[in-house]
Amino acid sequence: DVKVTQSSRYLVKRTGEKVFLECVQDMDHENMFWYRQDPGLGLRLIYFSYDVKMKEKGDIPEGYSVSREKKERFSLILESASTNQTSMYLCASSLSPSLAYEQFFGPGTRLTVL
Amino acid sequence: AQKITQTQPGMFVQEKEAVTLDCTYDTSDPSYGLFWYKQPSSGEMIFLIYQGSYDQQNATEGRYSLNFQKARKSANLVISASQLGDSAMYFCATLFSGTYKYIFGTGTRLKVLA
Repeated sequence: DVKVTQSSRYLVKRTGEKVFLECVQDMDHENMFWYRQDPGLGLRLIYFSYDVKMKEKGDIPEGYSVSREKKERFSLILESASTNQTSMYLCASSLSPSLAYEQFFGPGTRLTVL
Repeated sequence: AQKITQTQPGMFVQEKEAVTLDCTYDTSDPSYGLFWYKQPSSGEMIFLIYQGSYDQQNATEGRYSLNFQKARKSANLVISASQLGDSAMYFCATLFSGTYKYIFGTGTRLKVLA
């Protein structure tokens, strides 16, 4: 079974703090993704990575950065957290860019920025 | 622009009845994949079913089936014999050829009534 884990289920941070969200997958997937989920907006892609050290901006990259030093790990970084980054953050991975491959998701991190 | 639309923010269904969740997409690309995910209140996204744009038959997985109408660009999810455990948020998503980016709809919240 593919397992995608995220470092925290719930996180509370203060405005201006640097925040790290970690995601690890154990099935040697090439592609990894970070989304944020807000009510009524569905899932919006922040960044994705198709290989180690490779990253691409998604639809809403502003205020975020990512790091992928190892294939299994994809980190999302909020350089200076703001209240409008309070959200549910979902990490996902997929085997390859083939159209037939679904994404596997982690349990999500609910981040609150005060 | 490539887009996914779920027009039903919320739906109710009686236990043991069938329910259809709508999903339409907008693309001129002939090659794409369509996915449905379930998100229970726990937050984790669970893959349900996949349909490829060139698949001749509608996909089925247990109680889930995908009513794929290519000419109408619709990919509705049908859940037969609804169970209380089907109460969740449901997301339609697509992946177009030549891209790594899955596009998600805004979701439909389904409530199954006893």
